[in-house]
Amino acid sequence: TQLLEQSPQFLSIQEGENLTVYCNSSSVFSSLQWYRQEPGEGPVLLVTVVTGGEVKKLKRLTFQFGDARKDSSLHITAAQPGDTGLYLCAGDWSGNTPLVFGKGTRLSVIA
Amino acid sequence: GAGVSQSPRYKVAKRGQDVALRCDPISGHVSLFWYQQALGQGPEFLTYFQNEAQLDKSGLPSDRFFAERPEGSVSTLKIQRTQQEDSAVYLCASSLEVERSTDTQYFGPGTRLTVL
Repeated sequence: TQLLEQSPQFLSIQEGENLTVYCNSSSVFSSLQWYRQEPGEGPVLLVTVVTGGEVKKLKRLTFQFGDARKDSSLHITAAQPGDTGLYLCAGDWSGNTPLVFGKGTRLSVIA
Repeated sequence: GAGVSQSPRYKVAKRGQDVALRCDPISGHVSLFWYQQALGQGPEFLTYFQNEAQLDKSGLPSDRFFAERPEGSVSTLKIQRTQQEDSAVYLCASSLEVERSTDTQYFGPGTRLTVL
C-alpha cells in the first residue's frame, strides 16, 4: 500500500500570516492533486501537478512539486479566515490506479 | 449548475441492517468513484465505474459492500449487515473522461452513515 504523509496535521494561525503544508511519499508520483474540504462538503480540487519542479499559483496559494516527484508543498500567503478548511493531497503512482489521499492538514485562520 | 448529488445526506442504521446510498453524478460524466472517509482521515477509494462497467472494486472492504451503476448514470452503494466500523462519510465523485489520474473529479457532499 502506498503511503502519503501530510504535515502538520493541525495548524492554527492568525489572519495575515503565511503558512506552508507538506505532502510526502517514499515513492515517485505520476501526478499529485491538492484539494480543500469544508465541513459537510466533499473535497474540491485546487490543482494538479505532474512535472517535477513544477510550480503553480492560484491567487495567494502556491503549489510546488518536488524535483524527484516524491513530495509537494502548498504555501498560503497572507492567510484569510476563508482559507480555513481541510487541505488534502492525493497521489497517483502509475497513471491508472486509484487516487490515494493523505489524512490532510486542518487549517484554522483566526481573524 | 447541477453538481454531484448524494442521498440521503445522513443515515442512521442499527447494526445488522442493510443500507443503500445513492449518487447522482454530473450529467454526461463517464467515470464515477466511491470513497469512504472515516473521521479524521482522508477519503479512501472503494470502487470505480466507467459508464456501467465496474472496472475496479479493489477498495471495497468486504463482500458486504456492493456497488452498481446499471445505466451508466446513477449509482448505488449498498452495505449489507452494517457494522459499527462502517460508520463514515461515503463520498461519490464523477469525472468527464476516463483518465483516472489527472482528470478532475467532482465530489458530492457525501452521506454520513452512523451505525449504532
